[in-house]
Amino acid sequence: AQSVAQPEDQVNVAEGNPLTVKCTYSVSGNPYLFWYVQYPNRGLQFLLKYITGDNLVKGSYGFEAEFNKSQTSFHLKKPSALVSDSALYFCAVRPPEGGADGLTFGKGTHLIIQP
Amino acid sequence: KAGVTQTPRYLIKTRGQQVTLSCSPISGHRSVSWYQQTPGQGLQFLFEYFSETQRNKGNFPGRFSGRQFSNSRSEMNVSTLELGDSALYLCASRRASSGTSTDTQYFGPGTRLTVL
Repeated sequence: AQSVAQPEDQVNVAEGNPLTVKCTYSVSGNPYLFWYVQYPNRGLQFLLKYITGDNLVKGSYGFEAEFNKSQTSFHLKKPSALVSDSALYFCAVRPPEGGADGLTFGKGTHLIIQP
Repeated sequence: KAGVTQTPRYLIKTRGQQVTLSCSPISGHRSVSWYQQTPGQGLQFLFEYFSETQRNKGNFPGRFSGRQFSNSRSEMNVSTLELGDSALYLCASRRASSGTSTDTQYFGPGTRLTVL
């Protein structure tokens, strides 16, 4: 069975500084990886995904993520943080082609951007 | 294009009752999945429907069930409610046009269920 780990419950970053939210995964075969963001009392908003190809994936709102197969990681990054980036971030994995399983999510990381 | 919609947004029930939640997917999306979000367990997959058939089911008791209609709208039912069923229930849709699992799931705002 697949699993996702987000080792940090909370990440604090000063506005304007680069941010990284960490994610590692475990899955048989080549993974499909996703990042979502959740604002208070809202559903999940899709940020970006890795399916295949270039290891650096660019997504919405200036976010990007780097897929590292050898380290089984898919860290979310942004060069310059905004206060409005403060939210709960989820990394998710889906089994490779042919699976009908839902997404398996990490526990989430609270990102706090300080003015 | 309208996003995924869920009704109702908030619901209060008492133990032992049953509840039905509704989800309308994005137009053209044929797959609907349901997830439960709680502070303790996080986000957990309940089940996925495609073309009115349940394709897969997460590790939840039989009290949790669902169905999908011919227009791809989906309902989720929880019978004999327990206090632990209090959660945010999220619906997500994806195109799933070729059965592939690479397409993105888009989530609705959720239904907040409180069981007293």
